[in-house]
Amino acid sequence: QVQLVESGGGVVQPGRSLRLSCAASGLTFSDYSIHWVRQAPGKGLEWVAVIWYDGSKKYYAESVKGRFTISRDNSKNTLFLQMNSLRAEDTAVYYCATGGSLYYFDSWGQGTLVTVSS
Amino acid sequence: QSALTQPASVSGSPGQSITISCTGTSSDVGSYNLVSWYQQHPGKAPKLMIYEDTKRPSGVSDRFSGSKSGNTASLTISGLQAEDEADYYCCSYAGSTYFNIIFGGGTKLTVL
Repeated sequence: QVQLVESGGGVVQPGRSLRLSCAASGLTFSDYSIHWVRQAPGKGLEWVAVIWYDGSKKYYAESVKGRFTISRDNSKNTLFLQMNSLRAEDTAVYYCATGGSLYYFDSWGQGTLVTVSS
Repeated sequence: QSALTQPASVSGSPGQSITISCTGTSSDVGSYNLVSWYQQHPGKAPKLMIYEDTKRPSGVSDRFSGSKSGNTASLTISGLQAEDEADYYCCSYAGSTYFNIIFGGGTKLTVL
């Protein structure tokens, strides 16, 4: 059974940085591309970024491009999201998610809340 | 790329059927067989209900079905049950030269 566990969320001031982690188990992590998806309080889902199974390709939503960096450590079965120059509108629950293909998500973590506020 | 368009809310009585629409464009929903649907209960992570327009993951009730016509995808829930009350989101691949995934704004399903 696939388990994804996010960590690293918290309260951070605008302009500061935060690094999220997602620890994976129950799957051969290095076989799967994996995404970050976020959800602002009371709002809908927003795709944030994806990294290929081997780390060779990375893609970002326009809203985070140039500020966020997705990475992974396949030796530790862990996904990361480095978030710089944080803005109030980045406040959200951040989920890591993966699936049988690049284009849908059949395994989700429980999410970690990031609050950007002064 | 703009978000996909869903109705804000739908409702139905137990045992009835409802359909949630998801309208995109010829650059996303209409271009790829890559629409997925997610159910989300309050405070919980989303759950995959339909993928690749019409496919149902193992373990998902056959009361849930997906379809698509042109730029509009639909999720139909038959035999409504109280536990179906949740938010539902559609999602589509929207990339061409650059990978992109977009979601709909979500639909709140109320079981009366």
